[in-house]
Amino acid sequence: SQQGEEDPQALSIQEGENATMNCSYKTSINNLQWYRQNSGRGLVHLILIRSNEREKHSGRLRVTLDTSKKSSSLLITASRAADTASYFCATVYISSGSARQLTFGSGTQLTVLP
Amino acid sequence: DARVTQTPRHKVTEMGQEVTMRCQPILGHNTVFWYRQTMMQGLELLAYFRNRAPLDDSGMPKDRFSAEMPDATLATLKIQPSEPRDSAVYFCASAPVVRTETQYFGPGTRLLVL
Repeated sequence: SQQGEEDPQALSIQEGENATMNCSYKTSINNLQWYRQNSGRGLVHLILIRSNEREKHSGRLRVTLDTSKKSSSLLITASRAADTASYFCATVYISSGSARQLTFGSGTQLTVLP
Repeated sequence: DARVTQTPRHKVTEMGQEVTMRCQPILGHNTVFWYRQTMMQGLELLAYFRNRAPLDDSGMPKDRFSAEMPDATLATLKIQPSEPRDSAVYFCASAPVVRTETQYFGPGTRLLVL
């Protein structure tokens, strides 16, 4: 079952505008990651934020994490047509003695119109 | 430019046939994951390996699916016999020894079972 749920499911904006996507999860996490998936391609890791962090930046990306509300947001500033893709949040918990599994949300389909 | 490779990229087969999907993880990565993506279920973790040993395959239908790592450069996912409900995109991802939180995805195998 999916732990993270993204909101909105679909978002359409004009080039140059900012895009904000939200993710909610259900249980305690070690960290939360955002991935991008272009149509017909595999997922690409964008950014990771740990449970003891509240905000992180990477280029035009800004991620926030509120562990009390079990939610995260991904902000893409000054969007470009090339940002058109599906964006997924993925939560990580640690199973003792095993690899750290990713549990993916349902994704937000972002369309940036030129 | 190191990347995860998957073959075949597309597979169309008839119900009841055996399907084998292959994955070559990034050299030096010791953790390999298999995911399935469908519109209805999203991304689901099927199984994963660390140092070629299966750690968790609880997400995989045991009666028809099997996953193996014959060596460090090859992971396989087999479906026998295949069913129409197995139609999906199957992704392999690998992760390095130290930073197992970040996963690197292959381009996927798009499977259609008629």
